[in-house]
Amino acid sequence: DAGVTQSPTHLIKTRGQQVTLRCSPKSGHDTVSWYQQALGQGPQFIFQYYEEEERQRGNFPDRFSGHQFPNYSSELNVNALLLGDSALYLCASSLSYFYNEQFFGPGTRLTVL
Amino acid sequence: AQTVTQSQPEMSVQEAETVTLSCTYDTSENNYYLFWYKQPPSRQMILVIRQEAYKQQNATENRFSVNFQKAAKSFSLKISDSQLGDTAMYFCAFMKPSNTGNQFYFGTGTSLTVIP
Repeated sequence: DAGVTQSPTHLIKTRGQQVTLRCSPKSGHDTVSWYQQALGQGPQFIFQYYEEEERQRGNFPDRFSGHQFPNYSSELNVNALLLGDSALYLCASSLSYFYNEQFFGPGTRLTVL
Repeated sequence: AQTVTQSQPEMSVQEAETVTLSCTYDTSENNYYLFWYKQPPSRQMILVIRQEAYKQQNATENRFSVNFQKAAKSFSLKISDSQLGDTAMYFCAFMKPSNTGNQFYFGTGTSLTVIP
């Protein structure tokens, strides 16, 4: 049973560019959440997707957007990259939006130069 | 807004000894969940233990147990018989359930090193 997978593992971009990160949830899970983890910090909640809709959103600007596909996989898009967007981006899935247990992926390390 | 505070950035413990990691949180909610997550070096974050706020009994998972003090808004993690594999970042997290989805709030973490 594959757990949560994310791609790519690492990514280097320059300021102003756009980036797309991908996540496949654990088998049987239909809810995906995205987090930003800056170096030395705890994960910060970006948003949560369920039934292809954004259900909850943290305190992140509109430059951060997402999408969920019918197979429950998800994408995180970040536009107009800033140096401060450099972080580990974590995806977590759960059985449904009302379940409190989340399973995390290994993350995508984004570096903005 | 909910906040989670972990006041111990780094801790160390001798193998086989016991260590306690502290966490406090601030919320006006009455129904919520608290978690401890473990993030080993270069590995995925995994759930260590979970506590429902409406339960008075402290949660226990093998060598891991919590001391949940709701009135004091305190949620500490005790690791007994520490093992080398316990070396990791430990994050305390708060979750407020809602009809539309769950949002998690994490602390800044405590880096635990188990010394052989």
